[in-house]
Amino acid sequence: NAGVTQTPKFRILKIGQSMTLQCTQDMNHNYMYWYRQDPGMGLKLIYYSVGAGITDKGEVPNGYNVSRSTTEDFPLRLELAAPSQTSVYFCASSPGSVAPAHTEAFFGQGTRLTVV
Amino acid sequence: GNSVTQMEGPVTLSEEAFLTINCTYTATGYPSLFWYVQYPGEGLQLLLKATKADDKGSNKGFEATYRKETTSFHLEKGSVQVSDSAVYFCALSGPWTGNQFYFGTGTSLTVIP
Repeated sequence: NAGVTQTPKFRILKIGQSMTLQCTQDMNHNYMYWYRQDPGMGLKLIYYSVGAGITDKGEVPNGYNVSRSTTEDFPLRLELAAPSQTSVYFCASSPGSVAPAHTEAFFGQGTRLTVV
Repeated sequence: GNSVTQMEGPVTLSEEAFLTINCTYTATGYPSLFWYVQYPGEGLQLLLKATKADDKGSNKGFEATYRKETTSFHLEKGSVQVSDSAVYFCALSGPWTGNQFYFGTGTSLTVIP
């Protein structure tokens, strides 16, 4: 029962480097989300997807890109890393059902990223 | 619009004390309401949920009742344990929000022996 799996768990990047945070889910969920969590703060939505081939911006998309070529995978790409992108990144998925009883989100364990 | 306002922390309690964390919301339509818990170094886990007015969600001794008249979903536990130390997030979502999740800012709870 893997659920939502994120890799890597930790990463240190130098300013200007790029990297991809991987996220995969095995629950056949339609909706997937990327959030960032800064110290002592809540969650901010970066990007989300309502299904394969469809993505949309959240609250804080600048400096990031996503793709959703399959239902399972939703990678987050950081181009030209900046210190302001130091954060913990969480991927989540949800059935996105029209039935309210089935709308909870499932989260990965997070990726702790430091940009120096 | 949709938003969640959560009680500011941090909260420090002695073991076996009563816990209340306040949560109020603003929403269009009829959202589902959630409490998530985040233990140190981990992701968010669903603690409990309620999908319609007057529903009570419960899990691990925690309870919250969906109050439409006061737009609230306060989290309560009668006797906290050291192992309950974590950050608690109130959230709403559902078909009426386009399945977007709206989270509160989180409340950090520390329980001391």
